[in-house]
Amino acid sequence: DVKVTQSSRYLVKRTGEKVFLECVQDMDHENMFWYRQDPGLGLRLIYFSYDVKMKEKGDIPEGYSVSREKKERFSLILESASTNQTSMYLCASSFMDRAKTQYFGPGTRLLVL
Amino acid sequence: GESVGLHLPTLSVQEGDNSIINCAYSNSASDYFIWYKQESGKGPQFIIDIRSNMDKRQGQRVTVLLNKTVKHLSLQIAATQPGDSAVYFCAENLGGSNYKLTFGKGTLLTVNP
Repeated sequence: DVKVTQSSRYLVKRTGEKVFLECVQDMDHENMFWYRQDPGLGLRLIYFSYDVKMKEKGDIPEGYSVSREKKERFSLILESASTNQTSMYLCASSFMDRAKTQYFGPGTRLLVL
Repeated sequence: GESVGLHLPTLSVQEGDNSIINCAYSNSASDYFIWYKQESGKGPQFIIDIRSNMDKRQGQRVTVLLNKTVKHLSLQIAATQPGDSAVYFCAENLGGSNYKLTFGKGTLLTVNP
């Protein structure tokens, strides 16, 4: 079975803090994704990586950055957390040749105070 | 606006009944569709997919139907069980090398015992 894990299930941070969310997959997937999920807005893509050290902006990259130093690990960074970044963050991964079928982690619920 | 949408935001069924969850899409170039299930507090779980060269695909207790003429997708769940209670999302992909999935907002399925 595909396994995608995220470093925290729940996180509480203060405005202005730097926040790291980590995602690890154990299926040797080339592609990794970060989404945020908000009520009424569905899943929105923040960033995507198709290889180590490669990244592409998604639909809402502002206020976020990412890092992919190893194939199995994809980190989402909030440089200076703001209250409007309170959300559920979901990581996903997929094979390059089956780029469409994405497998998700359990999510990190982030609260920024 | 949303290129992937749902006819009903909520669906309530009796245990043992069949469930049908609908999804409309607007991009006629989409060639791959996925259904995900998301239980409360968890990440989306892949259920079944279908390519645009098919109009029906069956899995275990689930069937996806694709009507390209009216750009409509449905997920049928046979003999619905309480464990099927969740939010169900459809997602579409443009195909080719395009990695991006566009998600619908979801339908909440509630199974009454």
